[in-house]
Amino acid sequence: NAGVTQTPKFRILKIGQSMTLQCTQDMNHNYMYWYRQDPGMGLKLIYYSVGAGITDKGEVPNGYNVSRSTTEDFPLRLELAAPSQTSVYFCASSQTSGGVWNEQFFGPGTRLTVL
Amino acid sequence: QKEVEQNSGPLSVPEGAIASLNCTYSDRGSQSFFWYRQYSGKSPELIMSIYSNGDKEDGRFTAQLNKASQYVSLLIRDSQPSDSATYLCAVKVSGGSYIPTFGRGTSLIVHP
Repeated sequence: NAGVTQTPKFRILKIGQSMTLQCTQDMNHNYMYWYRQDPGMGLKLIYYSVGAGITDKGEVPNGYNVSRSTTEDFPLRLELAAPSQTSVYFCASSQTSGGVWNEQFFGPGTRLTVL
Repeated sequence: QKEVEQNSGPLSVPEGAIASLNCTYSDRGSQSFFWYRQYSGKSPELIMSIYSNGDKEDGRFTAQLNKASQYVSLLIRDSQPSDSATYLCAVKVSGGSYIPTFGRGTSLIVHP
């Protein structure tokens, strides 16, 4: 199993440009998440999904959009990039089973710089 | 707001010593507790999970949970320089969806 994969690894955007960060998991997990992590800071939840077709906002959703058309894929769309969106973005997935909340598996991250 | 607090550190310990990392949480109904390790420039990876009061041991790592006092700790015995990383505490607070709340992490430095 590849686990959680993310593309691209690095990207530089100009202010006002748009892009999509790709995330795919091959573990058949129901939950998927997008986090951003600024230097020296913890993880902030942007959006999450509890299954295909169902998404919801996290702590810092402004400037982002998501979709979940399949169990495997959970892309994150940045519209009109701003310098404040310079960060490292992590995608994660997890599986609930019999009421037990299992750990999250994280992708390798995408380092985004907006200039 | 349901919070998870960690001392940001850095916590500096000599090689071979016991490193003790602590995490407190505000939601008394919290159910699941996780410790992740994050090396600089890398993604978080699970070290330990704990669901009930008491101690859970895995090799050099021991997680301790005290729900009455609302804290969870991670002990690392025989600390090695390779243990130098940031350790994130994550808590599944009460509520329907699995949205864990993360602490800001404690930086651990193990010096030879």
